[in-house]
Amino acid sequence: DSGVTQTPKHLITATGQRVTLRCSPRSGDLSVYWYQQSLDQGLQFLIQYYNGEERAKGNILERFSAQQFPDLHSELNLSSLELGDSALYFCASSDLPGTSGTGELFFGEGSRLTVL
Amino acid sequence: GQSLEQPSEVTAVEGAIVQINCTYQTSGFYGLSWYQQHDGGAPTFLSYNALDGLEETGRFSSFLSRSDSYGYLLLQELQMKDSASYFCAASSPPGGFKTIFGAGTRLFVKA
Repeated sequence: DSGVTQTPKHLITATGQRVTLRCSPRSGDLSVYWYQQSLDQGLQFLIQYYNGEERAKGNILERFSAQQFPDLHSELNLSSLELGDSALYFCASSDLPGTSGTGELFFGEGSRLTVL
Repeated sequence: GQSLEQPSEVTAVEGAIVQINCTYQTSGFYGLSWYQQHDGGAPTFLSYNALDGLEETGRFSSFLSRSDSYGYLLLQELQMKDSASYFCAASSPPGGFKTIFGAGTRLFVKA
């Protein structure tokens, strides 16, 4: 158990709909990352937050948005869903810029989104 | 742009040694990490190199050459349970927050 909690684990919805994925980071971690993994693909970096502020952005679509709240949990909002958005969405947390020096990411179990 | 290249697939026999290479191209670079992911599971951290040289953690070792923008993961005494996907990941500015992953190398360990 990484200590990172993601909900829901599975989600099935229709094209054009909007969903919200939730992530609670490990206790003490201030950084939250979001990744998208399509079938048999790599992890595509979407966005990263540190202590409530956006710090790094990847190839995140304009239809997607995220935020990190004062209690450090984060939400990823996906709107106007398309078939191609079907994927596993991972949240990860780290203590960066903490003291471990490795920037190790601790991943949640992911939210599997299926768009029909 | 930022990219990491690694082989898509590697096959080895139980008990053997396998090396998974990774070359990277990033705008700024903090370090190279390796992650393991079993089918349907979450990626788990294996190792991290910020400086040139070899880092050893049990049966796994990782190497980095910053001048060559190259690293590798070495798995020794392969076991069937090592069958998984392995990802290299580069941390880059701002502040090392941006961690980009390669497409992954699928390792098949045969008996």
